Amino acid sequence: AQSVTQLDSHVSVSEGTPVLLRCNYSSSYSPSLFWYVQHPNKGLQLLLKYTSAATLVKGINGFEAEFKKSETSFHLTKPSAHMSDAAEYFCVVTDQTAGGTSYGKLTFGQGTILTVHP
Amino acid sequence: DGGITQSPKYLFRKEGQNVTLSCEQNLNHDAMYWYRQDPGQGLRLIYYSQIVNDFQKGDIAEGYSVSREKKESFPLTVTSAQKNPTAFYLCASSLSTGGPYPLHFGNGTRLTVT
Repeated sequence: AQSVTQLDSHVSVSEGTPVLLRCNYSSSYSPSLFWYVQHPNKGLQLLLKYTSAATLVKGINGFEAEFKKSETSFHLTKPSAHMSDAAEYFCVVTDQTAGGTSYGKLTFGQGTILTVHP
Repeated sequence: DGGITQSPKYLFRKEGQNVTLSCEQNLNHDAMYWYRQDPGQGLRLIYYSQIVNDFQKGDIAEGYSVSREKKESFPLTVTSAQKNPTAFYLCASSLSTGGPYPLHFGNGTRLTVT
């Protein structure tokens, strides 16, 4: 069974300081992981995805995430926060099925609201 | 530009009325999905469809119905049987349901039922 836990419901940073949004997952086989961003009253936009290639994944808007199998983590980082980064962020996991021929449904984390102070 | 269009953006209905939310995509994706979003609960899957004329229940299908008569369209009907219909509804699409493909989302419909 797969699951995902976003460890912080709210994160607050100052503009220009680093951002760290934490995500832990569980899976039985070989997971793929995604980070999405959602601005108020908008749909979700894909930031980046991990699909068993390089463990350090670079995404849009300067975000990156590192897949750490030993820690079952996929934390999202950005070196320097911008005011426009204020939004809600979702970590998402999908696991291979038992036969390894396909993937199951996506499981969404509860979301982390990022606030950026001037 | 390719994308997903949801309409209307805001919808208000009286209790006991059925209401249909529209979702159209021009990404040529096979798979389409409907999610419900409530504050602090992430996204919950209502229905999904892999191909035309076929759809499957998600985790919270009770009180909802869908159709998939065209590849581009996947409307959602919120029926009077849905006990708590007020929510933000998101439509999404992907290449397929069976792979690690990212979802592309519309901008949502906020439904308020009084």
